[in-house]
Amino acid sequence: GNSVTQMEGPVTLSEEAFLTINCTYTATGYPSLFWYVQYPGEGLQLLLKATKADDKGSNKGFEATYRKETTSFHLEKGSVQVSDSAVYFCALTPNTGGFKTIFGAGTRLFVKA
Amino acid sequence: DAGVTQSPTHLIKTRGQQVTLRCSPKSGHDTVSWYQQALGQGPQFIFQYYEEEERQRGNFPDRFSGHQFPNYSSELNVNALLLGDSALYLCASSLVGQNTEAFFGQGTRLTVV
Repeated sequence: GNSVTQMEGPVTLSEEAFLTINCTYTATGYPSLFWYVQYPGEGLQLLLKATKADDKGSNKGFEATYRKETTSFHLEKGSVQVSDSAVYFCALTPNTGGFKTIFGAGTRLFVKA
Repeated sequence: DAGVTQSPTHLIKTRGQQVTLRCSPKSGHDTVSWYQQALGQGPQFIFQYYEEEERQRGNFPDRFSGHQFPNYSSELNVNALLLGDSALYLCASSLVGQNTEAFFGQGTRLTVV
């Protein structure tokens, strides 16, 4: 079946450090891939997405590349800020007749000043 | 644009009771999905509604039911509440079709005591 696995947190970084959050997936065909962010007490916000292999999604300095060969969609940011502290969810929507979005367990990021 | 709105924001119910949660989708959206997010976990798909019908269902018991109205708003009903039903319930709206972005509400925090 379809599934998403992302690195466990929490991840603690100092401001301006480089961020990588790993995400791998299992799916038939070519799913669409997403990163969502959840700030404390809030719902999920779409951060970026990619709908086909080798696509790069980017937003607010974050980026992720759809790698079909490694079934991965790692999230990266070159210089994190305190305001980036949140929980990040990797997710997929299958393109084989399914409509639901499948989420990973989430990775909590703490950024220290 | 008000985005996706959910009500109530918080709710406390007693085991065995029934609860109804409400969702108004983002303007222009016709599809509503419901998710359950337990503490420290990723959202789990409950079901999706389109054209007032349940289009797909996740692995949840029949105690979980829903409805979509002609104005695209939706309700989630849970009967015979269990302690394990305590979670954040998220509503997401989108336009019909795959690869479309889902917009999430801030959720309803349900506590069953």
